[in-house]
Amino acid sequence: AIQMTQSPSSLSASVGDRVTITCRASQGIRNDLGWYQQKPGRSPKLLIYAASTLHSGVPSRFSGSGSGTDFTLTISSLQPEDFATYYCLQDYNYPLTFGGGTKVEIK
Amino acid sequence: QVQLQESGPGLVKPSETLSLTCTVSDISISSYYWNWIRQPPGKGVEWIGYVHYSGNTNYNPSLKSRVTISLDTSKNQFSLKLSSVTAADTAMYYCARRTRIAPNIYAVDVWGQGTTVTVSS
Repeated sequence: AIQMTQSPSSLSASVGDRVTITCRASQGIRNDLGWYQQKPGRSPKLLIYAASTLHSGVPSRFSGSGSGTDFTLTISSLQPEDFATYYCLQDYNYPLTFGGGTKVEIK
Repeated sequence: QVQLQESGPGLVKPSETLSLTCTVSDISISSYYWNWIRQPPGKGVEWIGYVHYSGNTNYNPSLKSRVTISLDTSKNQFSLKLSSVTAADTAMYYCARRTRIAPNIYAVDVWGQGTTVTVSS
């Protein structure tokens, strides 16, 4: 199975900060990667698919980049509602595998 | 708007079979890939498997010997059975839809709210 290594596992940031989260795949996965946001007690919500395509209704402050093995999720200006845990998911082959998550906390 | 709703027992005894159902609303189940995904308390997310509307299935090798996922098109539902459960199977279980957005582009785009299953005697 493809292993997805996500970093950092947690970070503290302030409203307005630029935040970057990375995900590294154990082998090349083209651009078959999604990013998800999960708030406590809620199911994950799709933010980005195909590494860089914003899902419908997702604010433009979220962006994704990368291809092959290295991927990045960027929040250009962190908002109060963005404090959550973020996961990457490789959709290249089965079994689908998730990164370990990044918890974004308030500084 | 597509909605998925999980249902089933919240408590299962060790060695027994966990059974969950996902009811799909506002869209026919006769399309897409229908998935089960779980998240143990305080831990990461694990894909369990899918059933395609054609009836094809694919399971995580780590669970394959214990998992069955099936469709009931008459009820617009799909189901998960996980046998011989242990405490390690205690988790939030989600059903989710995987969509073909474009040629060779897929996404798990709709999730249920999840249901907690505890394995305990």
